[in-house]
Amino acid sequence: QVQLQESGPGLVKPSQTLSLTCTVSGGSISSGSYYWSWIRQPAGKGLEWIGRIYTSGSTNYNPSLKSRVTISVDTSTNQFSLNLISVTAADTAVYYCARAGPSRSGTYSRWGQGTLVTVSS
Amino acid sequence: DIQMTQSPSSLSASVGDRVTITCQASQDISNYLNWYQQKLGKAPKVLIYDASNLETGVPSRFSGSGSGTDFTFTISSLQPEDIATYYCQQNDNLPLSFGQGTKLEIK
Repeated sequence: QVQLQESGPGLVKPSQTLSLTCTVSGGSISSGSYYWSWIRQPAGKGLEWIGRIYTSGSTNYNPSLKSRVTISVDTSTNQFSLNLISVTAADTAVYYCARAGPSRSGTYSRWGQGTLVTVSS
Repeated sequence: DIQMTQSPSSLSASVGDRVTITCQASQDISNYLNWYQQKLGKAPKVLIYDASNLETGVPSRFSGSGSGTDFTFTISSLQPEDIATYYCQQNDNLPLSFGQGTKLEIK
């Protein structure tokens, strides 16, 4: 049973870079045809899709964040990562990593527990 | 971008009631519509995929229907453990997008 776990700083200063890692256990991140994604949720609000990386390494990003976001994968550590530059208070949210696929590329059946990131000085 | 509009935004019902939530897409998404349940402090969990397919292990009291732009999610007999916020999500076009959520409470 594949499990996902987010990790990273819980506090980031404005204008700095938010960096999170999702560790995948119970299966190889490079096997199968999966989309590894980041989704966030500000407190008391809805879900926002940030972007995804495919097993092949190709990426897709939400245009609303595209200029600031990079998602990458490290197969040697079975992890994928999120970098979000130039953060503001509006980026404060619970960040989830999630997996979609293989036959349902946009359906998230595996999620991490989520990690709260606060942007504040 | 495709906008997803859910209604109502909140709902209070009694145990045993039939509960219905609707979701409207801003353009035709065929049947590429999922429904998730999110309990307080937890990650979302997929209940219905491709508009009407029940995810493995999900109780049969949950169901979904619709295609094109209009979709419905139903709980046939509300149980206390169904207290949660429910989200629809389209996976027809990028960026993937979610409805604003429906908070379900027990009377």
